[in-house]
Order: sequence, then C-alpha cells, then structure tokens
Amino acid sequence: GENVEQHPSTLSVQEGDSAVIKCTYSDSASNYFPWYKQELGKRPQLIIDIRSNVGEKKDQRIAVTLNKTAKHFSLHITETQPEDSAVYFCAASKIPSGTYKYIFGTGTRLKVLA
Amino acid sequence: DGGITQSPKYLFRKEGQNVTLSCEQNLNHDAMYWYRQDPGQGLRLIYYSQIVNDFQKGDIAEGYSVSREKKESFPLTVTSAQKNPTAFYLCASRSRVNRTGELFFGEGSRLTVL
Repeated sequence: GENVEQHPSTLSVQEGDSAVIKCTYSDSASNYFPWYKQELGKRPQLIIDIRSNVGEKKDQRIAVTLNKTAKHFSLHITETQPEDSAVYFCAASKIPSGTYKYIFGTGTRLKVLA
Repeated sequence: DGGITQSPKYLFRKEGQNVTLSCEQNLNHDAMYWYRQDPGQGLRLIYYSQIVNDFQKGDIAEGYSVSREKKESFPLTVTSAQKNPTAFYLCASRSRVNRTGELFFGEGSRLTVL
C-alpha cells in the first residue's frame, strides 16, 4: 500500500548548524510533497511544499529537494535556531485528484541545542 | 478570524462510553479530515469528507463514525468499539477550489480513556 518513510526519528543539532530530514514515498503517482512543523502542544502548520515538476524549492533558511527517480525528498534547514525545535512531518499526495488523500511520515523530532 | 476549531481540547472518558469530538471551520473549505496522532506513528487518517453528506473511511476507521450534515462541521464519534482510543485527534480542512493542497489543522483534542 501507500507508504511514506521518514528518517531520522530524532535529530539534535547545535544552533547554527544545518539539519536534514529525509522521506521516501512508495506511490510513484504522488506529485505533491508538503512539510509540516508541529511545535509542542500546537497544531501542525505547513512550512514548505514542492510539486513534482520541480526539483528544489527554497524559502529563506528552509529548502526542499525532490528526486522523483529515487522517490525521495528532503527538508534542509540551515543556520538552525532554537525556535526551529519541533516535530516535522513530511507527506505525499496526488493533486488534483478526487480524494486529496495525504500519506504522512512518522515525524522527526528536531532539537536545536543552544 | 477564519480558522478551524476543535473542542473540547481535553476529554476524559470511561471505558464503554461513546464520545463526540467537534470540528468546525469557517474557511469555506469543502474537504475535511480527521487524523489520529500517536507517539512515533505520525498522522493516521480516520475519515475524510469531500462534500456535504459524503464521507469515506481512511486507514483506521474501525471504532469511529462521522457525519457531514453541514459544510462547516465534521464531528467525530469515538465509539466503545474502538479498542485503544486514548490519543491526540486532529481535524483538518482543505480548499478544493484553490487546489493549493495545503491542509489547515485545528489545535487538536486529547482523549484519555480512564
């Protein structure tokens, strides 16, 4: 069935260093790959997304890369800050489609050490 | 102020009791979703609805029921048939018209079975 694997499950980095979180998806028809950030006790919020027609997208300190051949995509956070500490979820979906069903990864808990 | 509201935030239930979680949105979104979040398991889809009076089972629908009588509302009932109901429940919605793909989440409801 459809599946998204996410690694690592926890990640600790020193403030100012970079963090990379990787996801692999199984459904080759997936064409939309969002990343959500969930701070402790709060709702998940979209931080960046990428569609299958591009290989990379950047937004300030955050970037996402996509390798369709290998069916994996990664989140890159540069110059990490304490406020980046949160749980990050990747997801894969097919849009437009009838269901817009999202398959989420299991999450990565990022800790940025001051 | 547009958004998606879940209530209650915390709920305690005795075994054998049904409980209903509320989800209301004023974003004029057609699609609504219920996810269950457990530690280390990411977000798992319970039910989703694309239009009023229509809904489909997700990956873990057993022991749950929903209704979609109004566009703004998508309540989830956790029945006594759900064997392990203690979890964090998230409701989400998405616009089908804009086709942006972004899910907007509520703040969640934490259910504890005593």
